[in-house]
Amino acid sequence: RKEVEQDPGPFNVPEGATVAFNCTYSNSASQSFFWYRQDCRKEPKLLMSVYSSGNEDGRFTAQLNRASQYISLLIRDSKLSDSATYLCVVGGGSQGNLIFGKGTKLSVKP
Amino acid sequence: NAGVTQTPKFRVLKTGQSMTLLCAQDMNHEYMYWYRQDPGMGLRLIHYSVGEGTTAKGEVPDGYNVSRLKKQNFLLGLESAAPSQTSVYFCASTTGSSGNTIYFGEGSWLTVV
Repeated sequence: RKEVEQDPGPFNVPEGATVAFNCTYSNSASQSFFWYRQDCRKEPKLLMSVYSSGNEDGRFTAQLNRASQYISLLIRDSKLSDSATYLCVVGGGSQGNLIFGKGTKLSVKP
Repeated sequence: NAGVTQTPKFRVLKTGQSMTLLCAQDMNHEYMYWYRQDPGMGLRLIHYSVGEGTTAKGEVPDGYNVSRLKKQNFLLGLESAAPSQTSVYFCASTTGSSGNTIYFGEGSWLTVV
């Protein structure tokens, strides 16, 4: 099992749609979880951290299930500007390392 | 608002040539990283540093060397470039705990012919 696995995508959705991304991780000792967004030919940027209790930021909701080692990101009312690749990131190694998933590409169409 | 700065942004090398990528951060971060990103492979860690004067190997260290002589700088060297090292290279830094945000540079596009 790979350390961090994501839905391969791509996800092609119409504007206004709700889309969900899933991510699983293999290291049960992982302690920190993030979603990053990466636009084409740009660097990854933090979208949101993921907390045990779940958290929401506007149209974005992130959830963590430690028992199942599973993270999710829900985007409501998709906008054209949400088109990007979404990276699941898991941390907690002894050297402060972060493990990145390969990313899921989202394309929001008019 | 410099954050993490990488130089150069673009470079074409001939096989066998050497070069150094420079990463500089002005956020007083302890941890610095070099990643490469290839289509279908995601971000892969090359080397990292947990503080000035320290370096460690990541997932794909072969063919690369690094140095962290100053806290704000992390250099990535290619001693003898190979076409397999054609990639986008991202430098990143964070305060030191895996619970903190990691900040990336804008990337360096390297082509080895």
